[in-house]
Amino acid sequence: AQKVTQAQTEISVVEKEDVTLDCVYETRDTTYYLFWYKQPPSGELVFLIRRNSFDEQNEISGRYSWNFQKSTSSFNFTITASQVVDSAVYFCALSEDQAGTALIFGKGTTLSVSS
Amino acid sequence: GAVVSQHPSWVICKSGTSVKIECRSLDFQATTMFWYRQFPKQSLMLMATSNEGSKATYEQGVEKDKFLINHASLTLSTLTVTSAHPEDSSFYICSARDRDRYGYTFGSGTRLTVV
Repeated sequence: AQKVTQAQTEISVVEKEDVTLDCVYETRDTTYYLFWYKQPPSGELVFLIRRNSFDEQNEISGRYSWNFQKSTSSFNFTITASQVVDSAVYFCALSEDQAGTALIFGKGTTLSVSS
Repeated sequence: GAVVSQHPSWVICKSGTSVKIECRSLDFQATTMFWYRQFPKQSLMLMATSNEGSKATYEQGVEKDKFLINHASLTLSTLTVTSAHPEDSSFYICSARDRDRYGYTFGSGTRLTVV
């Protein structure tokens, strides 16, 4: 069975601090996809990244970076020099590589960035 | 990019009435639609999966007679909450999977309040 664990329920930082959101996943499949989404107070989900299980290269996009390590089944997300606008709930999600399979979400991490 | 239009954004209804939520894919064919429910400060929980022209598959614990899902075309899926009660108040969000390319496109969500 698939499972996504985001152990950090809430994180509070001050602007310009770096923050890492942890994500640990479980799956029996050898082919799978990992995602991160941002959910601001408005509720809509904002897609951040998708990574397939065969691509362990780390990715950087502006202030965002992701560290994928299959050996520890982790897909952590780091925000560098955080800003107040980064305040939101962040979800890590997993899907199997099969047609018609849904995304399974972690419980989310609420990030609060204060000025 | 792919867009899913979800309506209404919010709705308030009286207990005992029914509410219909629509999700429409605007520029792609949504062969599979997923419906999620999110209670305050909680994660997105998968309610059901529907494939165009087929009956929806409901997750354990989700009442299929209460949450009617119709996916009659490749661009439209609806969720009807029948005989709504206050405990059905939640944020409902759809997610469409494109037949031609891998990815999940989310609607903007519907906030349902039953009074």
